[in-house]
Amino acid sequence: NAGVTQTPKFQVLKTGQSMTLQCAQDMNHEYMSWYRQDPGMGLRLIHYSVGAGITDQGEVPNGYNVSRSTTEDFPLRLLSAAPSQTSVYFCASRNSWRANSGNTIYFGEGSWLTVV
Amino acid sequence: RKEVEQDPGPFNVPEGATVAFNCTYSNSASQSFFWYRQDCRKEPKLLMSVYSSGNEDGRFTAQLNRASQYISLLIRDSKLSDSATYLCVVTNNKLIFGAGTRLAVHP
Repeated sequence: NAGVTQTPKFQVLKTGQSMTLQCAQDMNHEYMSWYRQDPGMGLRLIHYSVGAGITDQGEVPNGYNVSRSTTEDFPLRLLSAAPSQTSVYFCASRNSWRANSGNTIYFGEGSWLTVV
Repeated sequence: RKEVEQDPGPFNVPEGATVAFNCTYSNSASQSFFWYRQDCRKEPKLLMSVYSSGNEDGRFTAQLNRASQYISLLIRDSKLSDSATYLCVVTNNKLIFGAGTRLAVHP
């Protein structure tokens, strides 16, 4: 059972380039989300999805797009990379989006992105 | 105001000490609560869920106070291996993380 798989682990981009961070889970989880983590800021929610075909914005969505065409995959696209998007990105999934489900959150190992 | 706020830390404690972290949340509709542990340059990992009645797992005790909208984590008999950042997580229709509290346990 692979859990949550994120790729790439490390990436350097030039300002203005676009790229996609991939996230896949093999646990048939309803809920998937993307976070960025910056020093002293904790994890901030970028976008999330409660099921295939459904996405919504989190706390810091600007500059990022997501789609959820299948239950398994939830890619995060950087449209035109900026130095402010230098961060560590974590994908997370959970069995149910329901707030009271109490399900464990599973994380990918993180993607270290540097924009120069 | 942030939806979830934690003690800023860092907490520097000697081995064997008892240390407590607090976390407050602003959305009274929040229904599930967790403590996660994160080691440097690693993904967060579940430490324990937090139940209304309070719960204990070995040296760790978690409490939830819905009236005052806060959760707490108590670590007894601290070990060097407890050094990490502790994140509180609150759920309504999305998962919201606190900024984390850094704990450093020294010999």
